[in-house]
Amino acid sequence: DIQMTQSPSSLSASVGDRVTFTCRTSQRISSYLEWYQHKPGKAPEILIYAASSLQSGVPSRFSGSGSGTNFTLTISSLQPEDFATYYCQQSYSTPYTFGQGTKLEIK
Amino acid sequence: QVQLQESGPGLVKPSGTLSLTCAVSGGSISSVNWWSWVRQPPGKGLEWVGQIYHSGSPNYNPSLKSRVTISVDKSKSQFSLKLTSVTAADTAVYYCARYNNNAFDIWGQGTRVTVSS
Repeated sequence: DIQMTQSPSSLSASVGDRVTFTCRTSQRISSYLEWYQHKPGKAPEILIYAASSLQSGVPSRFSGSGSGTNFTLTISSLQPEDFATYYCQQSYSTPYTFGQGTKLEIK
Repeated sequence: QVQLQESGPGLVKPSGTLSLTCAVSGGSISSVNWWSWVRQPPGKGLEWVGQIYHSGSPNYNPSLKSRVTISVDKSKSQFSLKLTSVTAADTAVYYCARYNNNAFDIWGQGTRVTVSS
């Protein structure tokens, strides 16, 4: 299985801040990397697919980059609704695997 | 707009069988997608359980492979999950999701299943 490592595990930030999350994979996966936002009691929502493509309807303050084994998700200017847990997931091979998540909290 | 809705018992006894169904509405279950199950144990991250194509070709997580069966019923526009010999470690919120263009792009709201006597 491809192991996914996200950092940090949690992050405190303020509205308006720029934040970056990191995801590393145990083997090269080209650009087969997705990012999801998950709020308590709700279904996860996809933000970014293929490492850097913005899902339709997702605000442009979200962006993704990377390939191979190192990937990042950036939120350019935090909004109140962005406080959630963020997961990366590889779609390179089954079993699809997720990172352990980064919890974004209000400072 | 495709929507997914999980249903099934919220409590299962240890060693029993967990059975969930996901109803697909607003689109065809026979479209070119994989229909998936993902779970989240309390306080933990997301785990892919498995998926099935509308033609009935399943693909399972090896960690669960001996216990899991995913099937599709096109006449009812739904797909199902069965997990046998459950233990407390199978307690989780179970989500059904559509896997499209290498991403889980549509999710159900999730259903909480507790394994307890």
